[in-house]
Amino acid sequence: SQTIHQWPATLVQPVGSPLSLECTVEGTSNPNLYWYRQAAGRGLQLLFYSVGIGQISSEVPQNLSASRPQDRQFILSSKKLLLSDSGFYLCAWSLGANSYNSPLHFGNGTRLTVT
Amino acid sequence: AQSVAQPEDQVNVAEGNPLTVKCTYSVSGNPYLFWYVQYPNRGLQFLLKYITGDNLVKGSYGFEAEFNKSQTSFHLKKPSALVSDSALYFCAVRPTSGGSYIPTFGRGTSLIVHP
Repeated sequence: SQTIHQWPATLVQPVGSPLSLECTVEGTSNPNLYWYRQAAGRGLQLLFYSVGIGQISSEVPQNLSASRPQDRQFILSSKKLLLSDSGFYLCAWSLGANSYNSPLHFGNGTRLTVT
Repeated sequence: AQSVAQPEDQVNVAEGNPLTVKCTYSVSGNPYLFWYVQYPNRGLQFLLKYITGDNLVKGSYGFEAEFNKSQTSFHLKKPSALVSDSALYFCAVRPTSGGSYIPTFGRGTSLIVHP
């Protein structure tokens, strides 16, 4: 069966420090991968998505970046965190190859607090 | 462009009573529709999806959803609510072909089940 791992679960970082959040998927190949941010426990904001290694699409311009160095690894980064980067970050995967009827499967999220 | 509306920020129901969480959508062509549940400090969990066929879809934890094409709705239902059903619920839509394969999520509805 497929599983998704996201870490760390919680993170407290000072303003201006770098960030690296990692997500890995097991049990499937060529997944579509997604990074979302959820503010105040409500709506989801899509940050990045990827259909393959090295292929990253950004939805919202900001000081965050994403990379996909391996098929099942998705990394969210920042060189300098802002207070506004605080939030709950969720990684997700779905079947690739235009599998429109595939649901998204989410990790357990990372609670980031920038102080 | 596709969109999802969840008109209620919060739904309150007594334990043992039936519950309904509303969702309406807009998409070019036919939709794939999804419901997810999110418990505090966790990622979203897939509950059920509509692809085609029977308008009544059954999912996890006793939940079901009714697809109504003429009203462009996909309401989530459960015959008898449990306190443990209290959570945040998200509706999402994808087109069956063309357009963006990125799902569009509603803003979420907080379900509170009172003992």
